[in-house]
Amino acid sequence: AQSVTQLGSHVSVSEGALVLLRCNYSSSVPPYLFWYVQYPNQGLQLLLKYTTGATLVKGINGFEAEFKKSETSFHLTKPSAHMSDAAEYFCAVNTLGGKLIFGQGTELSVKP
Amino acid sequence: AAGVIQSPRHLIKEKRETATLKCYPIPRHDTVYWYQQGPGQDPQFLISFYEKMQSDKGSIPDRFSAQQFSDYHSELNMSSLELGDSALYFCASSLSGNSGNTIYFGEGSWLTVV
Repeated sequence: AQSVTQLGSHVSVSEGALVLLRCNYSSSVPPYLFWYVQYPNQGLQLLLKYTTGATLVKGINGFEAEFKKSETSFHLTKPSAHMSDAAEYFCAVNTLGGKLIFGQGTELSVKP
Repeated sequence: AAGVIQSPRHLIKEKRETATLKCYPIPRHDTVYWYQQGPGQDPQFLISFYEKMQSDKGSIPDRFSAQQFSDYHSELNMSSLELGDSALYFCASSLSGNSGNTIYFGEGSWLTVV
């Protein structure tokens, strides 16, 4: 069975600082991994995904994530945080059946 | 580009009432998913349909049922509502055939049970 663990339910950074949101997965088969962002009172928007090929994946809004099989990780990073990045971020793994299994979410706060 | 459309966006019901949520997937997407997100929680998979047939089932209560119609829209029916059913309900759609295909989410339907 697949599962996802996000380390840290809340992360706070200063504007302009590095953003690092951690995600570890468990999967018995090669995983497809996703990061979604949820702004307050809104739906889930895809930031980026890893399926096959290049392990460093670039997404929207300057975010990127690196798939590390040896560490079973898919951490999300952004070099410089912006106030508009404040949101809830969900890491997810796609099962063979197609549905997504989400992590617990990490709330990102950005201080001016 | 067209997105996943959900209605209604907000719904208030009393305990023991029935609620129906509707979902219109992205055109040509053949798979629909329903998720429930409680306050401060991650989305939990309820049920999915592929080509109008139920394809997978998650933690969906027996009081809930869903179906996908010939035009691919889907409805989630919730009966005997309980206070704990208050949540944000997401519908999502994708093209099947590859688990790496992106699943696109709607804006969600807020259900409040009072």
